[in-house]
Amino acid sequence: ETGVTQTPRHLVMGMTNKKSLKCEQHLGHNAMYWYKQSAKKPLELMFVYSLEERVENNSVPSRFSPECPNSSHLFLHLHTLQPEDSALYLCASSQDAGGTDTQYFGPGTRLTVL
Amino acid sequence: GNSVTQMEGPVTLSEEAFLTINCTYTATGYPSLFWYVQYPGEGLQLLLKATKADDKGSNKGFEATYRKETTSFHLEKGSVQVSDSAVYFCALNYNNNDMRFGAGTRLTVKP
Repeated sequence: ETGVTQTPRHLVMGMTNKKSLKCEQHLGHNAMYWYKQSAKKPLELMFVYSLEERVENNSVPSRFSPECPNSSHLFLHLHTLQPEDSALYLCASSQDAGGTDTQYFGPGTRLTVL
Repeated sequence: GNSVTQMEGPVTLSEEAFLTINCTYTATGYPSLFWYVQYPGEGLQLLLKATKADDKGSNKGFEATYRKETTSFHLEKGSVQVSDSAVYFCALNYNNNDMRFGAGTRLTVKP
């Protein structure tokens, strides 16, 4: 597979559930990102990882917990979410963080919190 | 701070019409500028980019020129097709830790 893949593509969960989103990049990049895309709002950068270290956390609630076990994989662990967390969660990667390299996006996970 | 403003949609055009989607930016330094496209049910795909003033990015008949004097990066296409229907995002990247996106412009092309 090429590019950036995300699983699952769709997820429905209750507020008390715990679930995880997975992202994998096959581009040999060193930086990975999580974004939130809500209706009628610009993309919101959530987390940035560079070489498996978190370099940015944009005031994201603790109910979202990222994990980057290696430079190819990125997870977003979810627990006790709220209905307003329903959105499209996009993963992206770039050659390096901190520069102006192109970011390549995955197809996203459509999350619905009941 | 850095920001991107793009024209609000939705935009509806007939096939073969000329397309312009305006994008202006505010930034310190010299950012790279991008247009991404999002088709229904999919993530963002890079459409084109420009990394310095006066550069022209182009792809699939779309073009945009990095205009430092007017801080603009307008997207144009001479003849749109139904398959171009999507949401288009202008973006500014001064630092990958803080990439800024416009709100998106939905384009619908009718046969």
